[in-house]
Amino acid sequence: GQNIDQPTEMTATEGAIVQINCTYQTSGFNGLFWYQQHAGEAPTFLSYNVLDGLEEKGRFSSFLSRSKGYSYLLLKELQMKDSASYLCAAMDSNYQLIWGAGTKLIIKP
Amino acid sequence: GAVVSQHPSRVICKSGTSVKIECRSLDFQATTMFWYRQFPKQSLMLMATSNEGSKATYEQGVEKDKFLINHASLTLSTLTVTSAHPEDSSFYICSAPDRESSPLHFGNGTRLTVT
Repeated sequence: GQNIDQPTEMTATEGAIVQINCTYQTSGFNGLFWYQQHAGEAPTFLSYNVLDGLEEKGRFSSFLSRSKGYSYLLLKELQMKDSASYLCAAMDSNYQLIWGAGTKLIIKP
Repeated sequence: GAVVSQHPSRVICKSGTSVKIECRSLDFQATTMFWYRQFPKQSLMLMATSNEGSKATYEQGVEKDKFLINHASLTLSTLTVTSAHPEDSSFYICSAPDRESSPLHFGNGTRLTVT
């Protein structure tokens, strides 16, 4: 079956770095997405990886290893506004997104 | 960039009434629109996939007669919650890719409260 696993909740300190891991199993693969979702709001797109390696975008970076079915989202210089849920989603061969349950990130001062 | 406009953002209705939610793609043609439901503190749950000009595909456990989806044009998809009940109270979100394998563009969501 198709499955996405990511931690339920993580806590980090303002100014620090945090890595949110995601493992996936899908029927075919057309890329891995990360979204940020603040409570009560719609998700916003953060990153898309389809090739192995690290993609850096400001304070956020995303990594993909297709052979391992693994991705992570790296957040640097954490700010209080980064407190949110982070959703990992893999796109299968039919271009359907398989969503993880999300990782709630709590930032402490 | 590509934008999806969703209306209304909030709606409160009485039990037994119907509510229509609209999603429009503003600067691209959305041949496919995804409808999600999200309960508090839970992740997105795909309800159905609507394709322009054809019948929507519903996920297992989603009643197609209760959640009517119409995708009559390349820029508009609607979700109608018929005979709403309090358990239908949720956050409904639409999204669409502007092309295959592109990131989904999300509407801002509709908070439905059924009293």
